[in-house]
Amino acid sequence: AQKVTQAQTEISVVEKEDVTLDCVYETRDTTYYLFWYKQPPSGELVFLIRRNSFDEQNEISGRYSWNFQKSTSSFNFTITASQVVDSAVYFCALRGFGGSARQLTFGSGTQLTVLP
Amino acid sequence: GAGVSQSPSNKVTEKGKDVELRCDPISGHTALYWYRQSLGQGLEFLIYFQGNSAPDKSGLPSDRFSAERTGGSVSTLTIQRTQQEDSAVYLCASSFRTGDTEAFFGQGTRLTVV
Repeated sequence: AQKVTQAQTEISVVEKEDVTLDCVYETRDTTYYLFWYKQPPSGELVFLIRRNSFDEQNEISGRYSWNFQKSTSSFNFTITASQVVDSAVYFCALRGFGGSARQLTFGSGTQLTVLP
Repeated sequence: GAGVSQSPSNKVTEKGKDVELRCDPISGHTALYWYRQSLGQGLEFLIYFQGNSAPDKSGLPSDRFSAERTGGSVSTLTIQRTQQEDSAVYLCASSFRTGDTEAFFGQGTRLTVV
């Protein structure tokens, strides 16, 4: 069985602060894929990043960075110098390989509010 | 179209009526997913189609829910005898294949059962 835990239900920061969204996952697969999605108030889920389990190199994209640590089964997401437009619900998701690759298992999401 | 298209965007129905929700995936995408998102909640997996394989129906909450995918493209999610607890946003997603490819989501159908 797969499970994704986002323990932070809501986070509120002031603009320009850095913020880290936590994601912890469980899977029996040795090969798996991790994702982050953003859901702004408009409701549509926007893909942010995909990470393969065999690639632990961290990634930076502009103000976004992701820290994948297999040893702790975590895939955390950091926004540097947050902006009001970053306010959204952020979902972490996991998809296994082979038989369990059929579905994306989502965490419960973290509501991020960036205050001006 | 360029993205996943869902219709209708909003649907209000009376308790006990049947509803059909449509999803038009991205052209060429062989995998198609349906999820349900209740107010303020995460995404609940409903059903998954991959090519001509038998669908994974393990997430359907009851036998009132069914889905089909015709010609490996458009999918219809049907809810029979709707109940108030069926009120939610129903999201469809498609991906080029499974595993290492990301899924792209439509804007969803907001279903309200009154």
